[in-house]
Amino acid sequence: DAGVTQSPTHLIKTRGQQVTLRCSPKSGHDTVSWYQQALGQGPQFIFQYYEEEERQRGNFPDRFSGHQFPNYSSELNVNALLLGDSALYLCASSLDTGRGKTQYFGPGTRLLVL
Amino acid sequence: DQQVKQNSPSLSVQEGRISILNCDYTNSMFDYFLWYKKYPAEGPTFLISISSIKDKNEDGRFTVFLNKSAKHLSLHIVPSQPGDSAVYFCAASSAGGTSYGKLTFGQGTILTVHP
Repeated sequence: DAGVTQSPTHLIKTRGQQVTLRCSPKSGHDTVSWYQQALGQGPQFIFQYYEEEERQRGNFPDRFSGHQFPNYSSELNVNALLLGDSALYLCASSLDTGRGKTQYFGPGTRLLVL
Repeated sequence: DQQVKQNSPSLSVQEGRISILNCDYTNSMFDYFLWYKKYPAEGPTFLISISSIKDKNEDGRFTVFLNKSAKHLSLHIVPSQPGDSAVYFCAASSAGGTSYGKLTFGQGTILTVHP
């Protein structure tokens, strides 16, 4: 049973560029959430996708956008990259049978903005 | 506004002894709590959870205690093993309103278990 997978594992970009990160959820899961983890901090919620729609969003600017595909996989896009966007980006999946259920995380994508 | 707080940045324990990691929260709407363990260069791994209708949940060496009146939860690891050395995150979510299970995390506690 494959767990949550993310690609790429590492990425280096320069300020102003755009980046796309990808996530495949755990088998049987239909909900994908994205988190940003800065060094020394806990993960911060970016947004959550369910039925191909963004249904909840954290305190992140519109430069952060996403998409969910019919097979439940998801993408996170960040435009006009800033140095402060350097972080570990985590994808988590869960099953939407009721709320507050356990989310399972992928290994993350480490983004460095120079 | 830090709604979930882990006030101890680090904890050092001898192998075989008990590790107790603490977490406080301020949002009374939280009704589901989780602990995750994270090794460097890996994503958080789910350890154990507890619903607000319970005050204790046990899974092997791991036990989570919830004190709703104090808005406090703790994770007990007995006995501690060197492989338990990692960063431990407390997380909370709310099933109500438009929360959809969004997780709010603490800052993490670095646990070091010495042989």
